[in-house]
Amino acid sequence: DAGITQSPRHKVTETGTPVTLRCHQTENHRYMYWYRQDPGHGLRLIHYSYGVKDTDKGEVSDGYSVSRSKTEDFLLTLESATSSQTSVYFCAITAGDTQYFGPGTRLTVL
Amino acid sequence: AQSVTQLDSHVSVSEGTPVLLRCNYSSSYSPSLFWYVQHPNKGLQLLLKYTSAATLVKGINGFEAEFKKSETSFHLTKPSAHMSDAAEYFCVVSEYASGTYKYIFGTGTRLKVLA
Repeated sequence: DAGITQSPRHKVTETGTPVTLRCHQTENHRYMYWYRQDPGHGLRLIHYSYGVKDTDKGEVSDGYSVSRSKTEDFLLTLESATSSQTSVYFCAITAGDTQYFGPGTRLTVL
Repeated sequence: AQSVTQLDSHVSVSEGTPVLLRCNYSSSYSPSLFWYVQHPNKGLQLLLKYTSAATLVKGINGFEAEFKKSETSFHLTKPSAHMSDAAEYFCVVSEYASGTYKYIFGTGTRLKVLA
């Protein structure tokens, strides 16, 4: 357990609405990541952060934005949710060379 | 470019029999390799990792994996399956480049354990 929490844990929303997911860590790790998990695809990187206000895109970043205004929080925003963004979202941190994951957020976009 | 292939999407074994989950990787550099386990509706838990020390790596819950550079493989094994091992398993390769770690995930192997 690397002290990672995610909120909310479950969310149902409608197409076109904005959604923000929060990842919170308590151990001052520099690197934080957002992934989505879909059947048959494993985990795919959306965005990552290498410090406060320092972020970069992953392989599936279209339709998502992120912000990191303080070390402990990494926010993922869907500006206008679509049904294709229905997924389970995982936050992760890196300690040394190893990733540790949060419990996930299940998002359903109707 | 890095890639990871998990050769079986589903594996079924009987309780008490050996488990073999296969993973092949492609990497331009000396990789770090990981296995994670995910139980239903849970997050990913680290089972074990290889980072260029011993080629046979022991992990939690009796799992181990052997790094074979000549075969570019990192297969996960356990001598005797337990019902609680039923889960999805992910092989992951990472590289450190341009000041950050990048992680590539396999598509997962779902392990079913039969009583």
